[in-house]
Amino acid sequence: DAMVIQNPRYQVTQFGKPVTLSCSQTLNHNVMYWYQQKSSQAPKLLFHYYDKDFNNEADTPDNFQSRRPNTSFCFLDIRSPGLGDAAMYLCATSSSGGHEQFFGPGTRLTVL
Amino acid sequence: EDQVTQSPEALRLQEGESSSLNCSYTVSGLRGLFWYRQDPGKGPEFLFTLYSAGEEKEKERLKATLTKKESFLHITAPKPEDSATYLCAARASGGYQKVTFGTGTKLQVIP
Repeated sequence: DAMVIQNPRYQVTQFGKPVTLSCSQTLNHNVMYWYQQKSSQAPKLLFHYYDKDFNNEADTPDNFQSRRPNTSFCFLDIRSPGLGDAAMYLCATSSSGGHEQFFGPGTRLTVL
Repeated sequence: EDQVTQSPEALRLQEGESSSLNCSYTVSGLRGLFWYRQDPGKGPEFLFTLYSAGEEKEKERLKATLTKKESFLHITAPKPEDSATYLCAARASGGYQKVTFGTGTKLQVIP
C-alpha cells in the first residue's frame, strides 16, 4: 500500500544534542510537509517542499532545518533541541494542486 | 489572517447518540475544506475533502457538509471506536500548498 513512513517513531535526545527525523513516501507526491504538534494543539507547519523548492514558515526557528535529497525522502534536523521542542513531529505529503494531505504516523520527540 | 475554529473542544456521547461537530472558517477564497481523524499518539487520517457550498460527503457513520462559512461533521449512531480527535483544515486561494488547521474536537463515545 502507498504510504508515508516516519522513523524513528520515538526519539529521545538530550538538551542541545542534534537530532534528525526522517520521512519517506511511496505516494510519489511532489509536496512534502513537516509539522510540529504539541498536546491538544493544531499541527503547526514548520516548512514544506514543492518539488525541490523549499518554503520556510516565517516563525519557524532557525534551529529547525530540512533536507529533501529526492522525491521520496525528507529529513528534519533539529540542531540544538531545547525542552520546548519536545513534541510530535508529523510528515505529510500531497499532490500539487492543493489536494488533501496524507500524514505519516509521527515521531514523538522527548528532550531530556 | 486565515482562521479555522472548531467547536466544541470536547464532546462526550453515549453509544448511538447522534451529534454534529462544527468547523467555522475565515479564509480568502476557500479552495478546499478537509476533515481528519486523529487517534492518540498517531498522525491524522484523511477523511473528506469538500470544495464548494452545498457539497456533502459520507463514509460509514460520518457525513461532512459545507456552507459558505462553516462545515459540519455529522456522526450518526456513533460507536466507541469512533472516539478520536477530529480536525478540520482549510486551504485558501493563494495559499499555495498550505492549509490552516483548527485545534480539533475530542470525541468520546461511551458504551
